[in-house]
Amino acid sequence: DVKVTQSSRYLVKRTGEKVFLECVQDMDHENMFWYRQDPGLGLRLIYFSYDVKMKEKGDIPEGYSVSREKKERFSLILESASTNQTSMYLCASSNQGAGTNEKLFFGSGTQLSVL
Amino acid sequence: QKEVEQNSGPLSVPEGAIASLNCTYSDRVSQSFFWYRQYSGKSPELIMSIYSNGDKEDGRFTAQLNKASQYVSLLIRDSQPSDSATYLCAVKLAYSGYALNFGKGTSLLVTP
Repeated sequence: DVKVTQSSRYLVKRTGEKVFLECVQDMDHENMFWYRQDPGLGLRLIYFSYDVKMKEKGDIPEGYSVSREKKERFSLILESASTNQTSMYLCASSNQGAGTNEKLFFGSGTQLSVL
Repeated sequence: QKEVEQNSGPLSVPEGAIASLNCTYSDRVSQSFFWYRQYSGKSPELIMSIYSNGDKEDGRFTAQLNKASQYVSLLIRDSQPSDSATYLCAVKLAYSGYALNFGKGTSLLVTP
């Protein structure tokens, strides 16, 4: 089975801190994604990447950056954490191509609290 | 922002009944549509994908797509308490490569 591993299940940080959320997948997937999930707002796409060193902005990239130096690893960076970035962060990966390969595999999520 | 709309619910159905979940989308050129299930405290998991107009059946689940009406639905037959979860409709956007745009989800409660 595909495994998408997020480094922390729970994380507590202070306002203004630089925060790194790490995600690793073990199935050689080209595509990787970062979403955040908030009650009443659903899943919102922050950034995604379809190749090493490539990145694309999603719907809510402000306050975030990403890094993809290796195919299996996709990092989300909060440059200066703020309280409105308190959220559940979900990483996902998928193969490229249309049809039956378009399944997103999600990690177990990181619940980030910014105090 | 291309929208994917779902009724947030909760939708409550008795055990053994058919649960009907609905989704509309605004991007007319979207081609790929998905239903994910998310249990409380867990990550979403794919249960159905559909690409062509009509019905697609997989066990107790049937996905229905009507591109002219920009409408996707999920039917769950013989609903079980274990089906109680939030169901997320997702659409692959024509302009964003392989990323999916999710609806806010419909909460389903199946009562014994």
